[in-house]
Amino acid sequence: SQTIHQWPATLVQPVGSPLSLECTVEGTSNPNLYWYRQAAGRGLQLLFYSVGIGQISSEVPQNLSASRPQDRQFILSSKKLLLSDSGFYLCAWSAQGGTVAAFFGQGTRLTVV
Amino acid sequence: RKEVEQDPGPFNVPEGATVAFNCTYSNSASQSFFWYRQDCRKEPKLLMSVYSSGNEDGRFTAQLNRASQYISLLIRDSKLSDSATYLCGTGGSYIPTFGRGTSLIVHP
Repeated sequence: SQTIHQWPATLVQPVGSPLSLECTVEGTSNPNLYWYRQAAGRGLQLLFYSVGIGQISSEVPQNLSASRPQDRQFILSSKKLLLSDSGFYLCAWSAQGGTVAAFFGQGTRLTVV
Repeated sequence: RKEVEQDPGPFNVPEGATVAFNCTYSNSASQSFFWYRQDCRKEPKLLMSVYSSGNEDGRFTAQLNRASQYISLLIRDSKLSDSATYLCGTGGSYIPTFGRGTSLIVHP
């Protein structure tokens, strides 16, 4: 069966520090991968998605970036965090085709102080 | 206009009640539809897919109305453990899109 791992679960970082969140999927090949952010009381905002290795599409201009160095690995990064980057970050995967459900990692609760 | 819209609630219902949520979507090309459950400070988890013919899973029934572009979720005999936020989602063109969620509180 397929599983998705995301870490860390919680993170407190000072303003201006770098960020690296990692997500890996097991049990499937060539998944679509996604990074979402959910602010308190808000919906899921799509940040990045990838349909293959090295292919990244950005949905929202910001100081975050994403990379997909391997088929089942998706990384979210920032060189300098802002207070407004605080939120609940969720990695998700779906099978190729886009017509099937997305499955989420446990999420990372990021607090920038 | 948001692609997927839901009434945020909260819906406050007693145990045993029947409650229904609706969700509208704007992209007529959407090909797949889902309901997710999200507990406080946790990730959304797939509750059920929504098929054109409607589908039922125990106390939960999901319906799709393509003509009016909405999907619904009916929960019968509500339990305290049903308290959560319910998100509807659509799929197609690689990008799953979600509503903001409807909060359900089931009280004794």
